[in-house]
Amino acid sequence: ETGVTQTPRHLVMGMTNKKSLKCEQHLGHNAMYWYKQSAKKPLELMFVYSLEERVENNSVPSRFSPECPNSSHLFLHLHTLQPEDSALYLCASSQDGLGMNTGELFFGEGSRLTVL
Amino acid sequence: AQKVTQAQTEISVVEKEDVTLDCVYETRDTTYYLFWYKQPPSGELVFLIRRNSFDEQNEISGRYSWNFQKSTSSFNFTITASQVVDSAVYFCALSEELTGGGNKLTFGTGTQLKVEL
Repeated sequence: ETGVTQTPRHLVMGMTNKKSLKCEQHLGHNAMYWYKQSAKKPLELMFVYSLEERVENNSVPSRFSPECPNSSHLFLHLHTLQPEDSALYLCASSQDGLGMNTGELFFGEGSRLTVL
Repeated sequence: AQKVTQAQTEISVVEKEDVTLDCVYETRDTTYYLFWYKQPPSGELVFLIRRNSFDEQNEISGRYSWNFQKSTSSFNFTITASQVVDSAVYFCALSEELTGGGNKLTFGTGTQLKVEL
């Protein structure tokens, strides 16, 4: 069983809907990430939270809104998405700190999003 | 900017053949980490190996081995005696530490490996 759990695993939504993706990590890590994986493209980093503060936002459209209420939970709120936003959204976590930052990320199984 | 290139989009082999997945990277950092991840059909990225830029020793783990050559900026991955269960997409990645905390992994486009009976 993975230490990073994502729900839902599959989501179909219309362009006018509002939905949220949820990620929970059970590894005691202090950094969490959202990545987008589209067909034939490299994984794209969307957001990074370290100690519940957002430290990276890679020019992601405002229709994607992240939320990190604590170090174990990360959400991605979705509204008025476009069909090209259909992709696999992967959550990851890592442990950072003096002498502990190895760069390794632990990934969840992803949420497969289809926008109609 | 960091960049990772996996030139092989798809490789098909017959079981028990050896196969090498190529990875070439670009970075201006002097300290960095390189990774290989495996993505089975379930979607989860499974960590395989991490290599520190200061450690150029090759590593072997069972049927897996990695060849890190800093002079050519390459970090190739070889599977010996491949098995059907090795079928997956394999990603090479390069990390950089973010100023505010956390790490950014830059991924290659992945190599789809198909191992057939």
